[in-house]
Amino acid sequence: KQEVTQIPAALSVPEGENLVLNCSFTDSAIYNLQWFRQDPGKGLTSLLLIQSSQREQTSGRLNASLDKSSGRSTLYIAASQPGDSATYLCAVPLSGGYNKLIFGAGTRLAVHP
Amino acid sequence: NAGVMQNPRHLVRRRGQEARLRCSPMKGHSHVYWYRQLPEEGLKFMVYLQKENIIDESGMPKERFSAEFPKEGPSILRIQQVVRGDSAAYFCASSPPGLGNEKLFFGSGTQLSVL
Repeated sequence: KQEVTQIPAALSVPEGENLVLNCSFTDSAIYNLQWFRQDPGKGLTSLLLIQSSQREQTSGRLNASLDKSSGRSTLYIAASQPGDSATYLCAVPLSGGYNKLIFGAGTRLAVHP
Repeated sequence: NAGVMQNPRHLVRRRGQEARLRCSPMKGHSHVYWYRQLPEEGLKFMVYLQKENIIDESGMPKERFSAEFPKEGPSILRIQQVVRGDSAAYFCASSPPGLGNEKLFFGSGTQLSVL
């Protein structure tokens, strides 16, 4: 049974720090892994999608890596800003190959000036 | 190109009433998903639809819940005879045609409150 775990559950840092958020999954037979951010009272915004054949994806200050064999992904945020404050979720598809996603509980990030 | 549109944003119902949640996917998207986020819990898959077809409804309660995505018009998630435990945020998401595992785009959600 696929389970997704995110560590840490919460993180509070001063502006400018480089951050690493961790995501682990129990079943390595995944099609892809997605990282999202969720702002309070709002929907999810897709940040990065890494296909199972890829090792990493980059978008601006964000870099996500994927190590299928060890069941891990990390989201690296460079030079954090207060606007990065949100909950970050990782998700993998359950069997079927479509977006029937199982989500981690998220990492709640607060970046203070 | 507008994003995924959900309405209403907030919906208040009394126990026993019906709730209808609407979702218009992004233009050109033919895959629609509904997810539910209960208070203090993570997002859970409910149902996956393509135009006029329910592909996977394994995450949807067997009773009182139904979903459709007609040929014309928005996708509808319908909850009959609501109970307090149905209070949650309901999110719709869509993805473009393809294998079904493309990037997923979420709406802002409907917050359902059952009194």
